Amino acid sequence: EIVMTQSPATLSVSPGERATLSCRASQSVSSNLAWYQQKPGQAPRLLIYGASTRATGIPARFSGSGSGTEFTLTISSLQSEDFAVYYCQQYNNWWTFGQGTKVEIK
Amino acid sequence: QITLKESGPTLVKPTQTLTLTCTFSGFSLSTSGVGVGWIRQPPGKALEWLALIYWDDDKRYSPSLKSRLTITKDTSKNQVVLTMTNMDPVDTATYYCAHSRISVGATFAFDIWGQGTMVTVSS
Repeated sequence: EIVMTQSPATLSVSPGERATLSCRASQSVSSNLAWYQQKPGQAPRLLIYGASTRATGIPARFSGSGSGTEFTLTISSLQSEDFAVYYCQQYNNWWTFGQGTKVEIK
Repeated sequence: QITLKESGPTLVKPTQTLTLTCTFSGFSLSTSGVGVGWIRQPPGKALEWLALIYWDDDKRYSPSLKSRLTITKDTSKNQVVLTMTNMDPVDTATYYCAHSRISVGATFAFDIWGQGTMVTVSS
């Protein structure tokens, strides 16, 4: 099983600042990497797939990069609605999720 | 517009079998490339993929739970059913179903999710 490790566990950021989230795979997943956003009491929402392609309706302030085993999600200027938990997921070999990064207001 | 909705018991006893139904609209599970998966999330914890079924009845299971899971589809009813045997309190979680597909000949992410249904395992 491919293990996905996210860092940091919690990220404290002020509105308008940039947030950078990391995700590492235990073995190469090529570009088969997705990012999801989850707010309290809601289902996850797909943000990014193919490591860098924004899903339909996702604002341009969300961007993804990386390939192989190292990936990054960047939120260029945090809005109030962006404070949430973010999960990475590989779909190269079955589907496994990271443990999540909580982005909180600083 | 694609929508999915989970249904099933909110409370099951230890050792019992859980049966969950995902009813969807906006797509057909007889269309080439389409899949529906199940994912769960214990309270305050991370997401865990459980199973997925494709349009051609190809089924995939989480290796760690494979012996306890069965996924089936009823194309005429637009439903996917997940059964999990021998339920334990550690299986207490919100269970989600979600749409996926084969993209460029490969597996894909879960692009549309249901709202989830909370299942508590307790005697």
